[in-house]
Amino acid sequence: AQRVTQPEKLLSVFKGAPVELKCNYSYSGSPELFWYVQYSRQRLQLLLRHISRESIKGFTADLNKGETSFHLKKPFAQEEDSAMYYCALIGGSNYKLTFGKGTLLTVNP
Amino acid sequence: GAGVSQSPRYKVAKRGQDVALRCDPISGHVSLFWYQQALGQGPEFLTYFQNEAQLDKSGLPSDRFFAERPEGSVSTLKIQRTQQEDSAVYLCASSFRVRDQPQHFGDGTRLSIL
Repeated sequence: AQRVTQPEKLLSVFKGAPVELKCNYSYSGSPELFWYVQYSRQRLQLLLRHISRESIKGFTADLNKGETSFHLKKPFAQEEDSAMYYCALIGGSNYKLTFGKGTLLTVNP
Repeated sequence: GAGVSQSPRYKVAKRGQDVALRCDPISGHVSLFWYQQALGQGPEFLTYFQNEAQLDKSGLPSDRFFAERPEGSVSTLKIQRTQQEDSAVYLCASSFRVRDQPQHFGDGTRLSIL
């Protein structure tokens, strides 16, 4: 079975502060990990995926297989980063996304 | 259209009624997914189509749920004899190929069962 855990339901930081949204997963093989984001009144969209190893909107995420984690980080949060963030996994030859419960990030001015 | 389109955006039904939710995927997308998102939860997989073939319906919670995609484009999710626990946002997503990412999501249909 595959599972994604996002331990923080809510996260609040001030503008310019570093932010880290935690994600841990459970999967016996080699998963593919993603971060999806939903801004207010917008649809769910892909933010980044671990295989591309790129930074999107200043966010990065590193897959740590030893700790089974895929935490999302940004050194200096911006107000426009306020959104709901979902960590998601695809396992093996599978195709369906398994999502965590999400973390609502609020960046205060 | 430019993205995945779902209708209606909101649906209120009385317990016991049947409902039908529609998804128009991005033109040319082979893969189509339905997810259910309960309040305070992440989306949960319901079913998957590759063109018109329903290859996986393992996430459908009961035999009251039925999905189809007869011509390999538009899909309909039907819920018969609705129950209060069916209240959720139903999301549709499509992708160009099998296992293609990202999956492009629609705005969802918010279903409320009274």
